[in-house]
Amino acid sequence: NAGVTQTPKFQVLKTGQSMTLQCAQDMNHNSMYWYRQDPGMGLRLIYYSASEGTTDKGEVPNGYNVSRLNKREFSLRLESAAPSQTSVYFCASSEMGVEGYTFGSGTRLTVV
Amino acid sequence: DQQVKQNSPSLSVQEGRISILNCDYTNSMFDYFLWYKKYPAEGPTFLISISSIKDKNEDGRFTVFLNKSAKHLSLHIVPSQPGDSAVYFCAASGSNYKLTFGKGTLLTVNP
Repeated sequence: NAGVTQTPKFQVLKTGQSMTLQCAQDMNHNSMYWYRQDPGMGLRLIYYSASEGTTDKGEVPNGYNVSRLNKREFSLRLESAAPSQTSVYFCASSEMGVEGYTFGSGTRLTVV
Repeated sequence: DQQVKQNSPSLSVQEGRISILNCDYTNSMFDYFLWYKKYPAEGPTFLISISSIKDKNEDGRFTVFLNKSAKHLSLHIVPSQPGDSAVYFCAASGSNYKLTFGKGTLLTVNP
Protein backbone atom coordinates (compact mmCIF):
# COMPACT_ATOMS: atom_id res chain seq x y z
CA ASN A 1 0.00 0.00 0.00
CA ALA A 2 2.52 2.62 -1.17
CA GLY A 3 -0.03 5.35 -1.95
CA VAL A 4 1.88 8.37 -3.29
CA THR A 5 5.64 8.02 -3.70
CA GLN A 6 7.93 11.01 -4.15
CA THR A 7 11.59 10.96 -5.13
CA PRO A 8 14.03 12.21 -4.08
CA LYS A 9 13.33 12.95 -0.41
CA PHE A 10 16.10 15.53 -0.15
CA GLN A 11 17.99 17.56 -2.75
CA VAL A 12 20.45 20.44 -2.75
CA LEU A 13 20.83 22.42 -5.97
CA LYS A 14 23.00 25.30 -7.01
CA THR A 15 21.30 28.39 -8.45
CA GLY A 16 20.66 27.84 -12.15
CA GLN A 17 20.70 24.04 -12.04
CA SER A 18 17.72 22.05 -13.24
CA MET A 19 16.02 19.02 -11.79
CA THR A 20 12.84 16.99 -11.92
CA LEU A 21 10.85 15.90 -8.90
CA GLN A 22 9.11 12.59 -9.46
CA CYS A 23 5.72 11.50 -8.15
CA ALA A 24 3.85 8.24 -8.67
CA GLN A 25 0.57 6.96 -7.24
CA ASP A 26 -0.80 3.43 -7.23
CA MET A 27 -4.42 4.19 -6.31
CA ASN A 28 -5.68 4.66 -9.88
CA HIS A 29 -6.61 8.25 -9.08
CA ASN A 30 -7.43 10.59 -11.94
CA SER A 31 -6.21 13.84 -10.43
CA MET A 32 -2.73 14.76 -9.26
CA TYR A 33 -1.29 17.91 -7.70
CA TRP A 34 1.95 19.60 -6.76
CA TYR A 35 2.08 21.85 -3.69
CA ARG A 36 4.87 23.70 -1.97
CA GLN A 37 4.99 24.37 1.75
CA ASP A 38 6.88 27.35 3.12
CA PRO A 39 7.06 28.54 6.74
CA GLY A 40 4.07 30.71 7.58
CA MET A 41 2.58 30.22 4.11
CA GLY A 42 0.75 26.92 4.35
CA LEU A 43 0.38 24.74 1.26
CA ARG A 44 0.22 26.52 -2.08
CA LEU A 45 -0.80 24.84 -5.33
CA ILE A 46 1.83 24.96 -8.08
CA TYR A 47 0.25 22.86 -10.85
CA TYR A 48 -2.39 20.21 -11.09
CA SER A 49 -3.61 17.59 -13.52
CA ALA A 50 -7.33 16.87 -13.39
CA SER A 51 -6.92 13.81 -15.59
CA GLU A 52 -4.33 12.09 -17.75
CA GLY A 53 -3.33 14.36 -20.61
CA THR A 54 -4.30 17.65 -18.94
CA THR A 55 -2.35 20.07 -16.78
CA ASP A 56 -3.23 23.50 -15.37
CA LYS A 57 -1.54 26.24 -13.42
CA GLY A 58 -2.23 26.71 -9.76
CA GLU A 59 -1.52 29.62 -7.47
CA VAL A 60 2.29 29.78 -7.83
CA PRO A 61 3.34 28.24 -11.21
CA ASN A 62 6.18 30.59 -12.18
CA GLY A 63 9.55 28.83 -12.53
CA TYR A 64 8.01 25.36 -12.82
CA ASN A 65 6.81 22.98 -15.50
CA VAL A 66 4.96 19.70 -15.16
CA SER A 67 4.39 16.54 -17.14
CA ARG A 68 1.58 14.04 -16.64
CA LEU A 69 3.48 11.10 -18.07
CA ASN A 70 0.62 8.62 -17.62
CA LYS A 71 -2.16 8.07 -15.12
CA ARG A 72 0.31 7.07 -12.38
CA GLU A 73 3.05 9.66 -12.76
CA PHE A 74 3.18 13.44 -12.47
CA SER A 75 6.57 15.15 -12.50
CA LEU A 76 7.58 18.69 -11.56
CA ARG A 77 10.54 20.31 -13.28
CA LEU A 78 12.63 23.28 -12.23
CA GLU A 79 14.45 24.50 -15.34
CA SER A 80 16.71 27.04 -13.62
CA ALA A 81 16.53 26.78 -9.84
CA ALA A 82 16.46 29.92 -7.71
CA PRO A 83 16.90 30.34 -3.93
CA SER A 84 13.21 31.37 -3.74
CA GLN A 85 12.34 27.81 -4.74
CA THR A 86 13.83 26.43 -1.54
CA SER A 87 10.82 24.67 -0.05
CA VAL A 88 9.20 21.37 0.79
CA TYR A 89 7.31 19.99 -2.18
CA PHE A 90 4.32 17.70 -1.81
CA CYS A 91 2.63 15.66 -4.48
CA ALA A 92 -0.95 14.52 -3.96
CA SER A 93 -3.57 12.54 -5.80
CA SER A 94 -7.34 12.30 -5.56
CA GLU A 95 -10.37 10.79 -7.21
CA MET A 96 -12.94 13.25 -8.46
CA GLY A 97 -15.85 13.41 -6.08
CA VAL A 98 -14.05 11.57 -3.32
CA GLU A 99 -13.15 13.63 -0.31
CA GLY A 100 -9.64 14.71 0.21
CA TYR A 101 -6.28 14.03 -1.19
CA THR A 102 -3.57 11.48 -0.46
CA PHE A 103 -0.22 13.16 -0.03
CA GLY A 104 3.30 11.89 -0.50
CA SER A 105 5.88 12.38 2.22
CA GLY A 106 7.51 15.34 0.49
CA THR A 107 10.75 16.43 -1.14
CA ARG A 108 12.86 18.91 0.80
CA LEU A 109 14.66 21.08 -1.76
CA THR A 110 17.38 23.60 -0.94
CA VAL A 111 18.72 25.95 -3.61
CA VAL A 112 22.01 27.64 -2.71
CA ASP B 1 -5.75 37.44 -1.04
CA GLN B 2 -6.08 34.54 1.32
CA GLN B 3 -9.30 32.63 0.82
CA VAL B 4 -8.81 30.30 3.78
CA LYS B 5 -7.51 31.83 6.98
CA GLN B 6 -6.23 30.25 10.15
CA ASN B 7 -5.47 33.21 12.35
CA SER B 8 -3.85 31.31 15.20
CA PRO B 9 -0.35 30.09 14.27
CA SER B 10 -0.17 28.02 17.45
CA LEU B 11 -2.27 26.63 20.28
CA SER B 12 -1.18 24.92 23.49
CA VAL B 13 -3.54 22.82 25.66
CA GLN B 14 -3.30 20.39 28.53
CA GLU B 15 -3.83 16.68 27.99
CA GLY B 16 -7.46 15.74 28.57
CA ARG B 17 -8.82 19.22 27.82
CA ILE B 18 -10.56 20.40 24.67
CA SER B 19 -8.62 21.78 21.69
CA ILE B 20 -10.49 24.19 19.42
CA LEU B 21 -8.92 25.15 16.11
CA ASN B 22 -10.57 27.83 14.03
CA CYS B 23 -10.75 28.59 10.33
CA ASP B 24 -12.42 31.33 8.29
CA TYR B 25 -13.03 31.46 4.56
CA THR B 26 -14.00 34.18 2.14
CA ASN B 27 -15.05 32.35 -1.02
CA SER B 28 -18.79 31.65 -0.94
CA MET B 29 -18.34 29.07 -3.73
CA PHE B 30 -16.57 26.69 -1.36
CA ASP B 31 -18.88 23.82 -0.51
CA TYR B 32 -16.63 21.22 1.07
CA PHE B 33 -14.28 21.66 3.98
CA LEU B 34 -11.58 19.42 5.36
CA TRP B 35 -9.02 19.26 8.13
CA TYR B 36 -5.61 17.74 7.58
CA LYS B 37 -3.04 16.82 10.20
CA LYS B 38 0.68 16.99 9.56
CA TYR B 39 3.55 15.60 11.57
CA PRO B 40 7.13 16.79 10.93
CA ALA B 41 8.83 15.18 7.92
CA GLU B 42 5.56 13.59 6.77
CA GLY B 43 2.89 14.55 4.28
CA PRO B 44 -0.47 15.88 5.47
CA THR B 45 -3.08 13.23 6.22
CA PHE B 46 -6.83 13.61 6.02
CA LEU B 47 -8.57 13.93 9.37
CA ILE B 48 -12.22 14.90 8.96
CA SER B 49 -14.46 16.74 6.51
CA ILE B 50 -17.83 18.43 6.28
CA SER B 51 -20.12 19.28 3.41
CA SER B 52 -21.81 22.68 3.24
CA ILE B 53 -25.21 21.01 3.64
CA LYS B 54 -24.29 20.02 7.19
CA ASP B 55 -23.35 22.03 10.24
CA LYS B 56 -21.63 19.29 12.22
CA ASN B 57 -19.67 16.11 11.57
CA GLU B 58 -18.26 13.88 14.28
CA ASP B 59 -15.65 11.13 14.17
CA GLY B 60 -14.58 9.80 17.53
CA ARG B 61 -12.74 12.53 19.44
CA PHE B 62 -12.89 14.90 16.47
CA THR B 63 -15.84 17.13 15.59
CA VAL B 64 -16.00 19.77 12.90
CA PHE B 65 -18.58 22.55 13.07
CA LEU B 66 -19.55 24.72 10.11
CA ASN B 67 -21.26 28.12 10.31
CA LYS B 68 -22.00 29.04 6.70
CA SER B 69 -23.45 32.46 7.46
CA ALA B 70 -20.27 33.43 9.28
CA LYS B 71 -18.01 31.55 6.82
CA HIS B 72 -16.39 29.91 9.79
CA LEU B 73 -15.50 26.37 10.75
CA SER B 74 -13.86 24.89 13.78
CA LEU B 75 -12.29 21.59 14.77
CA HIS B 76 -12.85 20.32 18.30
CA ILE B 77 -10.66 17.60 19.77
CA VAL B 78 -11.96 16.08 23.01
CA PRO B 79 -10.12 14.87 24.99
CA SER B 80 -6.80 16.09 23.64
CA GLN B 81 -3.88 13.66 23.74
CA PRO B 82 -0.12 14.26 23.39
CA GLY B 83 -0.19 12.31 20.11
CA ASP B 84 -2.48 15.00 18.71
CA SER B 85 0.43 17.44 18.71
CA ALA B 86 0.88 18.37 15.04
CA VAL B 87 0.16 21.11 12.52
CA TYR B 88 -3.50 21.22 11.50
CA PHE B 89 -4.47 22.62 8.12
CA CYS B 90 -7.94 23.76 7.22
CA ALA B 91 -8.80 23.30 3.53
CA ALA B 92 -11.75 24.11 1.29
CA SER B 93 -12.89 23.18 -2.19
CA GLY B 94 -15.57 24.06 -4.68
CA SER B 95 -16.89 22.28 -7.76
CA ASN B 96 -13.42 21.93 -9.31
CA TYR B 97 -12.21 19.75 -6.39
CA LYS B 98 -9.02 21.81 -6.01
CA LEU B 99 -8.14 22.28 -2.37
CA THR B 100 -7.19 25.68 -0.98
CA PHE B 101 -5.32 25.46 2.30
CA GLY B 102 -4.91 27.77 5.25
CA LYS B 103 -1.50 28.48 6.74
CA GLY B 104 -1.90 25.93 9.50
CA THR B 105 -2.06 25.92 13.31
CA LEU B 106 0.57 24.17 15.41
CA LEU B 107 -1.20 22.32 18.22
CA THR B 108 0.86 21.28 21.24
CA VAL B 109 -0.79 19.02 23.81
CA ASN B 110 1.13 19.02 27.07
CA PRO B 111 1.12 15.89 29.29
